[in-house]
Amino acid sequence: DIQMTQSPSTLSASVGDTITISCRASQTVNTWLAWYQQKPGRAPKLLVHSASTLEGGVPSRFSGVGSGTDFTLTITSLQPDDFATYYCQHYSGYSRTFGQGTRVEMK
Amino acid sequence: EVRLLESGGGLEQPGKPLKLSCLASGFMFRSYAMSWVRQTPGKGLEWVAGIVGGGGSAYYADSVRGRFIISRDNSENTLYLTILNLRAEDSALYYCAKGPNFDWLYYGSFDAWGQGTLLTVSS
Repeated sequence: DIQMTQSPSTLSASVGDTITISCRASQTVNTWLAWYQQKPGRAPKLLVHSASTLEGGVPSRFSGVGSGTDFTLTITSLQPDDFATYYCQHYSGYSRTFGQGTRVEMK
Repeated sequence: EVRLLESGGGLEQPGKPLKLSCLASGFMFRSYAMSWVRQTPGKGLEWVAGIVGGGGSAYYADSVRGRFIISRDNSENTLYLTILNLRAEDSALYYCAKGPNFDWLYYGSFDAWGQGTLLTVSS
């Protein structure tokens, strides 16, 4: 199985900051990569698919880049609503695997 | 509006079978692949099983293959997950999740989720 590793596990930031979350796959997943946001007590919400395609309705301050094994999610001008946990997920082949998550907390 | 409503969780005993359900509405259910994803505080999010729109092909995580069965009834807009033999490590919040397409390969993100049904396996 392909393993997904996110870094950092926790990120402390302030409103207005630009932050970057990394996701690395144990083998190439091309661009079969999605990003999700999850808030406490809520289901995950799809932000990005195909590594860089923003899901409809997602603010443009979110952006994803990468291909192969290395991917990043960037949030520019962090807003109060963005403090949450973020997960990457690959969908290469028949299996799917999530990263362990990155918690974005208020500094 | 897409809605997914899971049910069937609760406190269950090890070794027993269990069937979870997910009632879908707001979209043409038969046209989309569906999955079950579980979440625990210790292991995070784990995809466990998926099924194509027509129900003809199903896919499983290695950790559950042979013990979990995913199925769907497109006439009832309902997705199911049958666990044949419950284990303590199956304790989790189980989400039903919708794929963006009928098929499985190349369309593997999850664009809608239910609120989950909590399963606790304990004697």
